[in-house]
Amino acid sequence: QVQLQQSGPGLVKPSGTLSLTCAVSGGSISTTTWWNWIRQPPGKGLEWIGEIYHTGTTNYNPSLKTRGIISLDKSKNQISLNLTSVTAADTAIYYCARRSGTQWLERLDFWGQGILVTVSS
Amino acid sequence: DIQMTQSPSSLSASVGDRVTITCRTSQSITTHLNWYQQKPGKAPNLLIYAASTLQSGVSPRFSGSGSGTDFTLTISGLQPEDFATYYCQQTYSFYTFGQGTKLEIK
Repeated sequence: QVQLQQSGPGLVKPSGTLSLTCAVSGGSISTTTWWNWIRQPPGKGLEWIGEIYHTGTTNYNPSLKTRGIISLDKSKNQISLNLTSVTAADTAIYYCARRSGTQWLERLDFWGQGILVTVSS
Repeated sequence: DIQMTQSPSSLSASVGDRVTITCRTSQSITTHLNWYQQKPGKAPNLLIYAASTLQSGVSPRFSGSGSGTDFTLTISGLQPEDFATYYCQQTYSFYTFGQGTKLEIK
């Protein structure tokens, strides 16, 4: 059973960089799948941030305007999210998730526990 | 961008009821549509993928249908643990989620 354990600071200053990690257990990130980041502002809906393949190929939500960087560390079996130039609008619960399937069968079937990140001075 | 319109935004129902939640997309996405359940303080949980395929381990009370631009999630015989917020997600062009439907006890 795949498990995703997230870690990172819960408070980031405005204009700073939000950095989160997602450690994967019960499976290798080097398999043929994509690893995703999604966020949810408090009391609101879900927003997809981006994803990374085991080869390092990435896709991002254009709304982030290149502020998001997703990377992977195969030696630690974990993925990371860095979001630069943060503002209060980036305050949200951040989730990592594994994608299974391809084309019309794509779905996010395993999720991390979520971390609330607040942007405030 | 593919826009998602999920309705209703909230819904009150009783244990044992049958409820339907709808999701409409701004363009055809064939069957690239998933449904998730989210309980307070928890991550979303996959219920249905590819519009109508039940995720392993999910109760058969949940069913999905639709293709193109119109989709439905139906919950038959509501149980107390079903009261939660439900989201649709399109996977046709990157990912977009619906606004959510909060299902409350009447």
